Amino acid sequence: QKEVEQNSGPLSVPEGAIASLNCTYSDRVSQSFFWYRQYSGKSPELIMSIYSNGDKEDGRFTAQLNKASQYVSLLIRDSQPSDSATYLCAVNQIQGAQKLVFGQGTRLTINP
Amino acid sequence: KAGVTQTPRYLIKTRGQQVTLSCSPISGHRSVSWYQQTPGQGLQFLFEYFSETQRNKGNFPGRFSGRQFSNSRSEMNVSTLELGDSALYLCATSGGSTDTQYFGPGTRLTVL
Repeated sequence: QKEVEQNSGPLSVPEGAIASLNCTYSDRVSQSFFWYRQYSGKSPELIMSIYSNGDKEDGRFTAQLNKASQYVSLLIRDSQPSDSATYLCAVNQIQGAQKLVFGQGTRLTINP
Repeated sequence: KAGVTQTPRYLIKTRGQQVTLSCSPISGHRSVSWYQQTPGQGLQFLFEYFSETQRNKGNFPGRFSGRQFSNSRSEMNVSTLELGDSALYLCATSGGSTDTQYFGPGTRLTVL
């Protein structure tokens, strides 16, 4: 079992719809959770961090964390073609450490 | 604030050579982590430096090494290059009370 798992996609969503990206992790003691966006040929760009159970909203993005079920999700509302990218889920397993474990990423395509 | 910078952006080397990559963190960031990204393995953690000390290490052979200077700039070195070392090498920095990491643009290494 991989430490952090994501559906590799591709996930295709019409413009204006809600895109839902999911991630599960295996280490129950994981403390910090992150979503990064990576355009082809570019480096990962931070979208959001989440540390506590529940929802965290930032503009069109909402991250959801459920530690009991060991999953993290990212919702993108009013999806735009510019949201087409690979979305990486990352988990920091050790509090205070800077050692992220990444999922393989979900390729998202927003269709105009 | 200026972002994370990495030099060089592109490198072409041949098997058996060695290479040194550089990373300058965001001002005030003292933690520098290095990652390798390949299509097959995704993003994998190499090591992290904080206050000139290696604090965490991933599962890579000893050919991969790094160091950090007093101004928090970091270098990583790969000796005796192999074809499989061809990858995008990313550094990510963090600082203050947060463990959020911000990535540089990466160095694309091609080993022939």
